Amino acid sequence: EPEVTQTPSHQVTQMGQEVILRCVPISNHLYFYWYRQILGQKVEFLVSFYNNEISEKSEIFDDQFSVERPDGSNFTLKIRSTKLEDSAMYFCASIPGDSRSPLHFGNGTRLTVT
Amino acid sequence: SQQGEEDPQALSIQEGENATMNCSYKTSINNLQWYRQNSGRGLVHLILIRSNEREKHSGRLRVTLDTSKKSSSLLITASRAADTASYFCATTRNTDKLIFGTGTRLQVFP
Repeated sequence: EPEVTQTPSHQVTQMGQEVILRCVPISNHLYFYWYRQILGQKVEFLVSFYNNEISEKSEIFDDQFSVERPDGSNFTLKIRSTKLEDSAMYFCASIPGDSRSPLHFGNGTRLTVT
Repeated sequence: SQQGEEDPQALSIQEGENATMNCSYKTSINNLQWYRQNSGRGLVHLILIRSNEREKHSGRLRVTLDTSKKSSSLLITASRAADTASYFCATTRNTDKLIFGTGTRLQVFP
């Protein structure tokens, strides 16, 4: 069964550094998402992406965040200048053409900012 | 806020028993979904129930939705040790954005 893959599984970075989290959504999917989960807390929506542009973003997704679909397969989340509070699990998800479909999540990237 | 709240926060049962988890939300919804998360892993979709549906079944899972009370329940029958995980409800409203609840940590003892 096709799945969403995320790399790396764990990223450690120093405060102020830039990080890029990578995701390969399921190949025929059209809607892409990033969510994050701070340890022990709820899963929070960051951004949705469709037709090569952001369709919705949360208050968390400020100017230090950006997303990109540089080619036909990858979907990336960039954090320009990481803060300690950015430490969390970041999950990529995708769905096919019907935006009401359930999400397919990757296994996440654990980001640790020191 | 549309955020869902779930109870109990944690639930411990023996194999073979039924597990019931509840979810409440605050605004009108398009649909409500339940997801499972094994420790340190991604979320796996379990079941989706639309706002005009009242009950849905999938294998050992039974989900109910009461829009008048803005609540849903997930029942896992004849639980197994492998059902040990966190379970989250999530709702959509006017967009495809999912708003997750706080989750219930289920521990099933063999």
